[in-house]
Amino acid sequence: EVQLVESGGGLVQPGGSLRLSCAASGFNLRDYWMHWVRQVPGKGLIWVSRVNTDESFTTYADSVKGRFTISRDNAKNTVYMQMNSLTSEDAAVYYCVREQWTRQFDVWGHGTLVTVSS
Amino acid sequence: DVRLTQSPSSLSASAGDRVTITCRASQTVGTYLNWYQQKPGKAPKLLIHSASTLQIGVPSRFSGSGSGTDFTLTISGLQPEDFATFFCQQSYTSPYTFGLGTRLEIK
Repeated sequence: EVQLVESGGGLVQPGGSLRLSCAASGFNLRDYWMHWVRQVPGKGLIWVSRVNTDESFTTYADSVKGRFTISRDNAKNTVYMQMNSLTSEDAAVYYCVREQWTRQFDVWGHGTLVTVSS
Repeated sequence: DVRLTQSPSSLSASAGDRVTITCRASQTVGTYLNWYQQKPGKAPKLLIHSASTLQIGVPSRFSGSGSGTDFTLTISGLQPEDFATFFCQQSYTSPYTFGLGTRLEIK
């Protein structure tokens, strides 16, 4: 079964850091660009970041640029998001997402909740 | 960034109805327009990609059309399991932006 499973979310204080992980199974991760999308519960979807197949190309939303770093380990079938200098505006459910070659997001993880509070 | 405007933001309908949701882009996105369905507490699910291509496994009552800046998602013969929130997304240019969503409720 094709699956993405996120982990690493939790409660963090403002200014703190978290590292999210996304474990892929059922497909060869090295063949796909991968993304992170976030969503405040009850609100809309916000694209956060993407990484190409070999990690040579990454892009970020302006709101996280310089604070978040996306990476991947194809040998471990895992994608990561290092999040630093977190603020309350970063609190959301974070989804790991697979992009197909025709540019749609066809596989989504279940999401991991990040809460930023003192 | 490309802004996507969905309308309506919410609508009420009954099982068996035909409903149409529109998505307008602030600039052309060709046919790089995708539709997702999200149920409470769940991740979004891809319904339609490339404006009109039905994702594998999605019922044929869902259809999409449009190109350039104007797109529609149509559900013909609503089923109880279809009540959810629907989002459009453009993947023509980075950042891949989403519409704010259309909440489809049972009348």
